[in-house]
Amino acid sequence: EAGVVQSPRYKIIEKKQPVAFWCNPISGHNTLYWYLQNLGQGPELLIRYENEEAVDDSQLPKDRFSAERLKGVDSTLKIQPAELGDSAVYLCASSPAGAPKPYNEQFFGPGTRLTVL
Amino acid sequence: AQKITQTQPGMFVQEKEAVTLDCTYDTSDPSYGLFWYKQPSSGEMIFLIYQGSYDQQNATEGRYSLNFQKARKSANLVISASQLGDSAMYFCAMRESIQGAQKLVFGQGTRLTINP
Repeated sequence: EAGVVQSPRYKIIEKKQPVAFWCNPISGHNTLYWYLQNLGQGPELLIRYENEEAVDDSQLPKDRFSAERLKGVDSTLKIQPAELGDSAVYLCASSPAGAPKPYNEQFFGPGTRLTVL
Repeated sequence: AQKITQTQPGMFVQEKEAVTLDCTYDTSDPSYGLFWYKQPSSGEMIFLIYQGSYDQQNATEGRYSLNFQKARKSANLVISASQLGDSAMYFCAMRESIQGAQKLVFGQGTRLTINP
C-alpha cells in the first residue's frame, strides 16, 4: 500500500513569491491534515479536512495561506506571498474514517522543506 | 501553557542499552490519548505506540513500551535493546478535543543518538 505522497520534497523561493505544495493521501483515507514544522519543533496543525470540507482551519494564517481539497482526495496548500518566516517543513498526513483501532492513527508524508530567501 | 513537554533535547545511548524518553502532558479532559512518533532524517513521522487515558495497562509494541503514570501526567517511551536504526527525533503527542474537533498536539521532540 502506497503511503502519503508529497511534492515537491524541497523548494527554494525568494520572498514575496508564491509557492504551492501538493499532497496525495493514502487511498480511502477521508481525513487529511496539513502541518507546519519549524526547525527543532514538533508539527503544528494548520488545517484538517474531512473529505472536501475544511473542518478545522483555525491555525491557518488566512491572509497568505490557502488550501483546497477538491473531490476529497488530493490537496494543495498555497502561500502567497511567501515571507522569510515561512521557511519550514510542511507535512501532510491522512487517517481513515471509522478506524478499527481505538485511536485515530495519522499517517504522515515525507514533507516539503521550504526555504524562503 | 505547554501541553506536551519533552525535557530532553538530546539523548546519547550505547547500542543494545535500553533508553527512556520523557514526556509530560497537561490536560483537563478526562478522555485523551497519547502517541509517540519517530522522525528519521528522511522526514516522515512514523507512528510507534498509543496509550489511551482509560487504558488499564501500559501499551507495548515490540521493543517499544509506554510507561504511563496518569497521576503524574507522564507518558515516557521506553525502547529496549536499542539499535543504530533507532537514531532519530522522537515526538510525544496528545490527542485532545477542542471545540468538538480532535487534534494532535506535539512536544518539541528529543533527538536520540545510538552509538555503536
